Amino acid sequence: NAGVTQTPKFRILKIGQSMTLQCTQDMNHNYMYWYRQDPGMGLKLIYYSVGAGITDKGEVPNGYNVSRSTTEDFPLRLELAAPSQTSVYFCATRTGGNTGELFFGEGSRLTVL
Amino acid sequence: GEDVEQSLFLSVREGDSSVINCTYTDSSSTYLYWYKQEPGAGLQLLTYIFSNMDMKQDQRLTVLLNKKDKHLSLRIADTQTGDSAIYFCAERELTGGGNKLTFGTGTQLKVEL
Repeated sequence: NAGVTQTPKFRILKIGQSMTLQCTQDMNHNYMYWYRQDPGMGLKLIYYSVGAGITDKGEVPNGYNVSRSTTEDFPLRLELAAPSQTSVYFCATRTGGNTGELFFGEGSRLTVL
Repeated sequence: GEDVEQSLFLSVREGDSSVINCTYTDSSSTYLYWYKQEPGAGLQLLTYIFSNMDMKQDQRLTVLLNKKDKHLSLRIADTQTGDSAIYFCAERELTGGGNKLTFGTGTQLKVEL
C-alpha cells in the first residue's frame, strides 16, 4: 500500500499562475485534510473533507479551493498564486476511529515568485 | 478556538532525557497527540493520550498531562541522535464532530554528541 501520495513534490510558480496539488490515498479513509506548514508557525488547516462530496473550510482557506469527488482523491487548487502561498503543503487522512491518528503524505514544497 | 503553544527549540546531549512541553486552551474532553517530523518528511504519530488520563508510558516515551494547567509534556529517555526532529503537539476537540486537529508550532529537538 502506498498510503498517502502527494504530487508534485516541488513546484515554482509565478505570481498569478494557478495550479493543483494532487493527493491520493489507498487506505479507504473517509477523512482527508490539507495543511500548510510555515517555519515557526506549525501546521494550519486549509480545508478538510469528511467523505466524498463533502468539504469544509479550515483556518486559512482564502486563495484555495478543494473538491472530493471520490474517496481516494482530494486535490487542492491554488488560483492566482501569491507569494504568501509559498509554503510546504501536507495532505493527511484518518479513519473514523476515536483515536484520530492522521496519516501524512511527504509534502509538496511550493514557491511563488 | 483552540490554541496550542510550544517552545521552538531544545538542545540535549546524547543519553540525556529530553522534555518537550506544550500548553493548550480547549477545556472540553479531547485527545492530545505527539507527532514527530523528520527532515523532508510528513508527520508521524508517536503517541497520544485522552484527557481523562494523567500519564502514558510507551518504551522510552512518557507523556504527562496536567489538566488543571492545560499542560502536556513528552519525555524521551536516553535521547539518541535519531531522535533529532521536530516534535508537534496537537489537540483534537471532540465536540463539533471532532474532525479537526489543532497543531502547535513544533519544537525542534537537536541531539548533540
